[in-house]
Amino acid sequence: AQSVTQLDSQVPVFEEAPVELRCNYSSSVSVYLFWYVQYPNQGLQLLLKYLSGSTLVKGINGFEAEFNKSQTSFHLRKPSVHISDTAEYFCAVSLYNQGGKLIFGQGTELSVKP
Amino acid sequence: DAGVIQSPRHEVTEMGQEVTLRCKLISGHNSLFWYRQTMMRGLELLIYFNNNVPIDDSGMPEDRFSAKMPNASFSTLKIQPSEPRDSAVYFCASGTTGNTEAFFGQGTRLTVV
Repeated sequence: AQSVTQLDSQVPVFEEAPVELRCNYSSSVSVYLFWYVQYPNQGLQLLLKYLSGSTLVKGINGFEAEFNKSQTSFHLRKPSVHISDTAEYFCAVSLYNQGGKLIFGQGTELSVKP
Repeated sequence: DAGVIQSPRHEVTEMGQEVTLRCKLISGHNSLFWYRQTMMRGLELLIYFNNNVPIDDSGMPEDRFSAKMPNASFSTLKIQPSEPRDSAVYFCASGTTGNTEAFFGQGTRLTVV
């Protein structure tokens, strides 16, 4: 079975500061890895995904994530955040060829303050 | 493309009533996923279909929940009878066979009083 742990439930940060949202996963087989963002009262939007290849993945809105197989981590980073990045962020995994069958972490609430 | 369309966006109903949530897939997609989001359990997969056939319904909480795909582009999730603990946001998502991602709708916020 697979599981996902997001290590921080809330991350407050000031505008233009860098941020890292941490995600660890557990799986006995290879998986796809995803980060989704959810703005208030909205659905989930895909930020980025890791399928294979280069371990550094770039996504939308200036976010990037690095896959680390030895540490089973997939941390999300942004060098300079904006107020508009305030949202809930979800890390998720899926098995190969089952990209919609997702197992989510509990979410990290990113709060960007002026 | 309009994306995945869910209706209604909000539903308030009394305990014991039947509730039907609706989802229209993105044109050309053949996989359909229903998720539920609650504070206590987070986001969890209820059921998913491929080519109109239910593949995995192990996440459906109990027999009060049922899901169908009457055609290739449309799905319903029915709760009968509804209970206050069913209050949650229900999302559907669509994709394609062998897909690497799912596209989510805006969700239906269900409140059972």
